[in-house]
Amino acid sequence: GESVGLHLPTLSVQEGDNSIINCAYSNSASDYFIWYKQESGKGPQFIIDIRSNMDKRQGQRVTVLLNKTVKHLSLQIAATQPGDSAVYFCAESSGNTPLVFGKGTRLSVIA
Amino acid sequence: DGGITQSPKYLFRKEGQNVTLSCEQNLNHDAMYWYRQDPGQGLRLIYYSQIVNDFQKGDIAEGYSVSREKKESFPLTVTSAQKNPTAFYLCASSITSGQGAGGYTFGSGTRLTVV
Repeated sequence: GESVGLHLPTLSVQEGDNSIINCAYSNSASDYFIWYKQESGKGPQFIIDIRSNMDKRQGQRVTVLLNKTVKHLSLQIAATQPGDSAVYFCAESSGNTPLVFGKGTRLSVIA
Repeated sequence: DGGITQSPKYLFRKEGQNVTLSCEQNLNHDAMYWYRQDPGQGLRLIYYSQIVNDFQKGDIAEGYSVSREKKESFPLTVTSAQKNPTAFYLCASSITSGQGAGGYTFGSGTRLTVV
């Protein structure tokens, strides 16, 4: 079946630097994408979402980029802080189907 | 505060036992979901419900059962037929089964361990 995955399982960045977390998806029918942050022992928290009719969306310190040509999604975190350390998941769906999650990338922020 | 509550936080199951995980939401969301998360893994869909008294199997439904008798509640039963139930179980809800703004709201999870 279709799947969503991430290029890198772990990412370490210096505090204050920008972070980029990547995600590849294979379902060309996907029309909704979302990024979640999960801290240890907790449920995922919504970060930002984007629909397929957009290629960029910005939030507070975060930007999501969508490249439908190569089926690629990325999450950019500006001025990464220690509190950003967590596992980040991308997820996608098409129509009314439930979200399909990738395996996640662990972001570690080095003080 | 509106939210989604899972209980218990930790649950231990003996071999051959059925156990039920609770999930309650007061967000007035129509759709609810159960995901399973194994260490270092993503979330895999067990069951979902788009409306009261209706639910569908997800990718890994074998060994699990659910009910949706009330809009607010979506309990998950892990039966003895589930041979490897040790995992972190996450319940979520959404406004509708379509993509409402903000995606899913997740509970804080139940960690199930077989002893």
